[in-house]
Amino acid sequence: QQQVKQSPQSLIVQKGGISIINCAYENTAFDYFPWYQQFPGKGPALLIAIRPDVSEKKEGRFTISFNKSAKQFSLHIMDSQPGDSATYFCAASGGAAGNKLTFGGGTRVLVKP
Amino acid sequence: KAGVTQTPRYLIKTRGQQVTLSCSPISGHRSVSWYQQTPGQGLQFLFEYFSETQRNKGNFPGRFSGRQFSNSRSEMNVSTLELGDSALYLCASSLVQGAQYGYTFGSGTRLTVV
Repeated sequence: QQQVKQSPQSLIVQKGGISIINCAYENTAFDYFPWYQQFPGKGPALLIAIRPDVSEKKEGRFTISFNKSAKQFSLHIMDSQPGDSATYFCAASGGAAGNKLTFGGGTRVLVKP
Repeated sequence: KAGVTQTPRYLIKTRGQQVTLSCSPISGHRSVSWYQQTPGQGLQFLFEYFSETQRNKGNFPGRFSGRQFSNSRSEMNVSTLELGDSALYLCASSLVQGAQYGYTFGSGTRLTVV
C-alpha cells in the first residue's frame, strides 16, 4: 500500500520537445504529491507539488496532471532544454505513511540539443 | 542563505566498522529527515527528527540510528557496517515536521563499505 510506481525509467527527448513522466500510487490516503529533480552529485530539489483537490498545476514549463480516480499523476516538461537533463522522482506522503516521502524509482531524462 | 550541509561528502569504511554522518539544516529549520539512496532500492526513508525527538522511522534494522541536537543539527550512525550499506545518505530539512512543508535536501554523504 506504500508503493509509488514511476515510468519510464529513462527517456530521450529533443530540445524543444515535451517530456512526460508518469506515476501511479496505491495508498488512497496520500495527500501530497511532489516532484523532485536531481542532478549528478546533488541531492533532489523540489520542483513542483500538487494536492489531490487540484487536477492540474503549472509552474513555468513544468505541469503536474493529477487523476485521483485513477490514482495517477504525471509531470510534463514543455519546451525541454538541455539543462533539464536530470533524474526526476515523483513522491507521495500522507495518511498512515505520515510525513515521510515514498519515492518512485526515478526517470533519467536526456534532452538532446 | 546557506543550504543543508552534510559532512563528510565521501567516506570509505571497512565492513564491521561504524560510521557517523552529520547534517546541519537550514537556519531556522527544525525538522530533519534522512533518506538512503541506492541504485537498486532507490530513495528510502530512514527517520525524521523534530524538536530533538524521533517522530517517524523507516523499515531499517536497528544498526541504523540517529539523533537531533538542540540546535537542530542531526547525526545518523550506522554500526556493524555491511557491504549493502554502501549508498548516498541524504539529509533533508524543513521548517516544521512534514515533507508537505517543503524539504530541502543536502548533497549527501557517499558511503562506500569495502
